[in-house]
Amino acid sequence: QQQVKQSPQSLIVQKGGISIINCAYENTAFDYFPWYQQFPGKGPALLIAIRPDVSEKKEGRFTISFNKSAKQFSLHIMDSQPGDSATYFCAASKGYSTLTFGKGTMLLVSP
Amino acid sequence: ETGVTQSPTHLIKTRGQQVTLRCSSQSGHNTVSWYQQALGQGPQFIFQYYREEENGRGNFPPRFSGLQFPNYSSELNVNALELDDSALYLCASSLVQGAGTEAFFGQGTRLTVV
Repeated sequence: QQQVKQSPQSLIVQKGGISIINCAYENTAFDYFPWYQQFPGKGPALLIAIRPDVSEKKEGRFTISFNKSAKQFSLHIMDSQPGDSATYFCAASKGYSTLTFGKGTMLLVSP
Repeated sequence: ETGVTQSPTHLIKTRGQQVTLRCSSQSGHNTVSWYQQALGQGPQFIFQYYREEENGRGNFPPRFSGLQFPNYSSELNVNALELDDSALYLCASSLVQGAGTEAFFGQGTRLTVV
């Protein structure tokens, strides 16, 4: 049973465009929702995270939107750059305990 | 850099062999979690160690075992290797105390079983 569903599987965006990745979760006990960025040959790096007491969190070009009633959250990358080309994973956990990851989205930003 | 280091970075083993992977936690962190990431998939939780005791386990067989040492470094041991064990093995350290901290991942160990 996949507890965190992520879409799309892959995404191609032009430089300067907006990249949007969506995730849905099932376990209502989850209260911590991070996004990780992973480059080939590297471990996942924490990008931005949100808790369900807020509906949006913005850090630079990265924004998380959170919809508690729909059990969905999304990552928006504004002004996407070629250096943003990587695989992005959403995840969820209760507190800072073990993370349940989505299957990932491979983002390619074309110059 | 996260301060979490793993060794070795790459490893090739033969089916049936045993392997030990190592992880050095970020300074001040008391919890280590291990994840398996198959090619094209998200990381899957194997187990977590908190103050040298196993503190949770995912859906992995007993041939996956671990240790956490007093300095909070950790080992992942896999016995009787199978071809499907080929994956990137990630360790993540965090501080579970008070409000806690996020998990920070190492660069991983790429294990290939032939």
